[in-house]
Amino acid sequence: SQKIEQNSEALNIQEGKTATLTCNYTNYSPAYLQWYRQDPGRGPVFLLLIRENEKEKRKERLKVTFDTTLKQSLFHITASQPADSATYLCALTASGGSYIPTFGRGTSLIVHP
Amino acid sequence: DSGVTQTPKHLITATGQRVTLRCSPRSGDLSVYWYQQSLDQGLQFLIQYYNGEERAKGNILERFSAQQFPDLHSELNLSSLELGDSALYFCASSPQGSTNEKLFFGSGTQLSVL
Repeated sequence: SQKIEQNSEALNIQEGKTATLTCNYTNYSPAYLQWYRQDPGRGPVFLLLIRENEKEKRKERLKVTFDTTLKQSLFHITASQPADSATYLCALTASGGSYIPTFGRGTSLIVHP
Repeated sequence: DSGVTQTPKHLITATGQRVTLRCSPRSGDLSVYWYQQSLDQGLQFLIQYYNGEERAKGNILERFSAQQFPDLHSELNLSSLELGDSALYFCASSPQGSTNEKLFFGSGTQLSVL
């Protein structure tokens, strides 16, 4: 069956360090993968999209990589700040079908000052 | 602010009851999506409408139904409510109907079934 896995354990890092979050998937033929940020009690907010034929995407302090051989995406936040503390969700859209994003359960990031 | 408006923010009701959740998409967006988020299931896709017509269906229970009106707002109807229906219900919108590359989410409706 199709699965999207994100580390359920919170990631704790010090301010200024690079945070790296992982999204693994199985039994998907992906068209693209999205990363969203979700704060408590709020809706997810779109951050970045990377297509299956792209290796890397950057936006300001954010970088996403996509390895379709390893079936994995890595999400990096450089020079992290306490304001980056949130839950980060990856969402995979399979090629063909209805192109509806399927979300992982998210990883909580806590940046300590 | 995503531009997607959901009402009400909170809803407390009893088992067996029926409720309606409302969503107004961003101006110009034709697609509306409904997702359910619970602690044990994560964010689960329920249903998508595009310009008034059902486009895709996920794990939506038969007790749940939705529609999108000519002014593009959408309503999610939940009936014969059970304790397990307690969750955050999100509406999202996007301009596209078929590629869904970027969803804009509302702040959600927290449903508590007692």
